[in-house]
Amino acid sequence: QKEVEQNSGPLSVPEGAIASLNCTYSDRVSQSFFWYRQYSGKSPELIMSIYSNGDKEDGRFTAQLNKASQYVSLLIRDSQPSDSATYLCAVNTGGFKTIFGAGTRLFVKA
Amino acid sequence: EAGVTQFPSHSVIEKGQTVTLRCDPISGHDNLYWYRRVMGKEIKFLLHFVKESKQDESGMPNNRFLAERTGGTYSTLKVQPAELEDSGVYFCASSPGLAGSRTDTQYFGPGTRLTVL
Repeated sequence: QKEVEQNSGPLSVPEGAIASLNCTYSDRVSQSFFWYRQYSGKSPELIMSIYSNGDKEDGRFTAQLNKASQYVSLLIRDSQPSDSATYLCAVNTGGFKTIFGAGTRLFVKA
Repeated sequence: EAGVTQFPSHSVIEKGQTVTLRCDPISGHDNLYWYRRVMGKEIKFLLHFVKESKQDESGMPNNRFLAERTGGTYSTLKVQPAELEDSGVYFCASSPGLAGSRTDTQYFGPGTRLTVL
């Protein structure tokens, strides 16, 4: 079992729709959770971090964390073609190492 | 403020040769991380420096890889001798806060794409 699992996609949504990206992790002591966006050929860019159970909203992005289910998700409202990218889920167990998922490719159709 | 920079952006070498990758973190960031992404796989942690000290090098694949951060500023990652399976994108990241804490936002560099033929 991978430490951080994501559906590789591609996830295709029409412009203006809500994109829902999901991630599960295996280590119950994980403390910090991150969503990075990576455009093709570019470096990962942090878009959301979440540390407590519940929802965290930032503009069009909402991160949701459920530690009991070991599940973290990212919702993108009013999806735009510019949101088309690979979204990486990353988890930190409190030490120095951040574990990344393989990423979900999102395609927003104009 | 300048971001994390990496050099070179691309490197193509033959099996058995040596390559040195460089990373300049954001000024003032004590934490420096190296990661690698092999094609089709997830980004994998290689190691972490706090200033000039290696805090965690558990992700280093083998002893052909040597990372240094003399003086606690820029870092180099040397692969010697390079093998075919070393091909991939090597990312460097830096962060200002206590590693693993809520202030530890990692900022990634553009990566070095290494191709070993």
